[in-house]
Amino acid sequence: EAGVAQSPRYKIIEKRQSVAFWCNPISGHATLYWYQQILGQGPKLLIQFQNNGVVDDSQLPKDRFSAERLKGVDSTLKIQPAKLEDSAVYLCASSARQGLNEKLFFGSGTQLSVL
Amino acid sequence: GNSVTQMEGPVTLSEEAFLTINCTYTATGYPSLFWYVQYPGEGLQLLLKATKADDKGSNKGFEATYRKETTSFHLEKGSVQVSDSAVYFCALSDLDNDMRFGAGTRLTVKP
Repeated sequence: EAGVAQSPRYKIIEKRQSVAFWCNPISGHATLYWYQQILGQGPKLLIQFQNNGVVDDSQLPKDRFSAERLKGVDSTLKIQPAKLEDSAVYLCASSARQGLNEKLFFGSGTQLSVL
Repeated sequence: GNSVTQMEGPVTLSEEAFLTINCTYTATGYPSLFWYVQYPGEGLQLLLKATKADDKGSNKGFEATYRKETTSFHLEKGSVQVSDSAVYFCALSDLDNDMRFGAGTRLTVKP
């Protein structure tokens, strides 16, 4: 079974530039998550999709971050414009369905450095 | 809101030593509790979970018991190996499946 795919693996940009990350979840997984993991901290949920609808985006900084999952499969996360404090690893995860006990499968992440 | 607090690292042990990583949680309802592990260069993966009070999750020699009275889910292993070196994250999930993670504890096991 193929895992959660993310690209790019690394990205270095200057502040105020834009950047986009891509995620392909495990085939058939209805629920998709984007997490931000700052160095030395645990992952923080940014947004959760159920199919192509947003379930929770309460922690997404909507003035600069946006995410979409138009066809209920792949997803993109965009930052425009980037700030220094956005430097982090951006993790995509998926689960078969939304539920209390569902196991999350994580991708390897995209490491973003904002200079 | 829901939150997880785990012991700060890093933790350095010799091979075959006993491991405990403390985790306590705050939740309004009855969450499920998880331990995820991140090996060097890899993504997070589920290590074990427990879905209700007094449940014990176990995998790869690791165990953790869901203690409602102390709101804890401590991770233990009787004899660690060099291959257990990784970052360990305690997490909880509520009815909305909003997975909240602790800050992580880095474990290094020396031969």
